[in-house]
Amino acid sequence: DAKTTQPTSMDCAEGRAANLPCNHSTISGNEYVYWYRQIHSQGPQYIIHGLKNNETNEMASLIITEDRKSSTLILPHATLRDTAVYYCIVRVLSGSARQLTFGSGTQLTVLP
Amino acid sequence: GAGVSQSPSNKVTEKGKDVELRCDPISGHTALYWYRQRLGQGLEFLIYFQGNSAPDKSGLPSDRFSAERTGESVSTLTIQRTQQEDSAVYLCASSFTDSGALEQYFGPGTRLTVT
Repeated sequence: DAKTTQPTSMDCAEGRAANLPCNHSTISGNEYVYWYRQIHSQGPQYIIHGLKNNETNEMASLIITEDRKSSTLILPHATLRDTAVYYCIVRVLSGSARQLTFGSGTQLTVLP
Repeated sequence: GAGVSQSPSNKVTEKGKDVELRCDPISGHTALYWYRQRLGQGLEFLIYFQGNSAPDKSGLPSDRFSAERTGESVSTLTIQRTQQEDSAVYLCASSFTDSGALEQYFGPGTRLTVT
């Protein structure tokens, strides 16, 4: 699985867009980019995933660069409830190992 | 619909006792996963079920840990002769199919404290 690099922490003002970057310069052609988050004292929560096209759902948007070496998760209107650790995961969809492996992620703090 | 549920939410046990943790996955999800998260640390994979079989038990830390799943539904994780280092939050997740393995939906976890 490709290694990912994320900033340790970020702040965002409530109501503003939160843009969380992830570098995955060693990504291979069949690896997907997945984002999860973990709010304090809760289990991780799936957010969004993509291969090469930009994706949007009710929670967030995922922008993947054309060379696929980096991506950005966008929370369009951050709320206090979005304060969490955000994890970027890059891996193939199939394969013998099914477990998720989280790195250290980005602690996003949404400020009032 | 209902999400993944786990019970108990909290369990305090004495060192040396056995504990059983339960996970009810989302209805229709054939894949089920157990993870452990120690305080301030990342997820540690324990075991994965596809249906009632466990193709990947690689994460079970010792033979004191075992898990089973019946009826392609409920799963139990059993820890025998608990030790203080077993204290952690035990998280269960499920996914619709094996091929959609990375879209895992997590339960709230069971916080286990071994005294």
